[in-house]
Amino acid sequence: EVQLVESGGGLVKPGGSLRLSCSASGVSVTSVWMNWVRQAPGKGLEWVGRIKSRTDGGATDYVAHVRGRFIVSRDDSENTLYLQMNDLKTEDTAVYYCFTDDVWDSRRGEKVDYWGRGTLVTVSS
Amino acid sequence: EIALTQSPATLSVSPGERATLSCRASQSVITYLAWYQQKPGQAPRLLIYDGSSRTFGTPARFSGSGSGTDFTLTISGVEPEDFAVYYCQQRANRRTFGQGTRLEIK
Repeated sequence: EVQLVESGGGLVKPGGSLRLSCSASGVSVTSVWMNWVRQAPGKGLEWVGRIKSRTDGGATDYVAHVRGRFIVSRDDSENTLYLQMNDLKTEDTAVYYCFTDDVWDSRRGEKVDYWGRGTLVTVSS
Repeated sequence: EIALTQSPATLSVSPGERATLSCRASQSVITYLAWYQQKPGQAPRLLIYDGSSRTFGTPARFSGSGSGTDFTLTISGVEPEDFAVYYCQQRANRRTFGQGTRLEIK
C-alpha cells in the first residue's frame, strides 16, 4: 500500500523559512514525478512545484510566484520529498499536500494518484 | 502557464438530477485533463484522467468528455454522496487546477 505523509507545517513569521517533508512508503520518490500543491483556507487547489523522476533527469519546476523562494528536493535514501520555503508571505498560508499522479498501475490497468493528507502552514506575525 | 476556467462556480441540483460541469483551458491540453472530487477535510480524489478514463473506484454515473480546450464532467444522476467540490487539472504542461465547482443540494 502506498502512503505519503507530510510533516513540518506550523506557524512562522513573514520572512521566515520552513521545510516540509513528505515521507513515502510503497512508492519510490526517485521513480515517479513528485509534486507539491497547496490549498489556502476556503480556497481552491494551487500547484506549487515538482521534481521529475531520476530517469527523466530530476529537474524541478515551479509556479511563477514561488520560483526563487521555494525549492523542491528529495532524499533517495530516506525516500522523502522536501519543500524548502523561504521568505514566506502571509499569502503562503495553506495546507500543503504532496502527491504523485499519472502513475500507471499495471495490476489495475489504469493510472492512479497518491496524495498525502496535508500539513498546515500558517504565516502570520 | 496554462490556465483553467471552471463553470459554473456553484451548481445547485436535486438528488437524481443530471449535473454538467465545464472546464476550459487557455490553450490546448489535448486530452491531458483530469477531474477530482474533494470533500471537506480530505485530499482530492481522482475520478477521471486523460479526459474520459474513469478510475476503477469511480461510479459509472460519472463521465468525462472533451479534448483540446473544452471539457465536461457529467454526473448522470447525482447521489447524496456526490455533493462536493470538483476540480479539473491539466497535465499537458506542468500542472494547473481550475478554481473549482461546488456541487450543492438544491
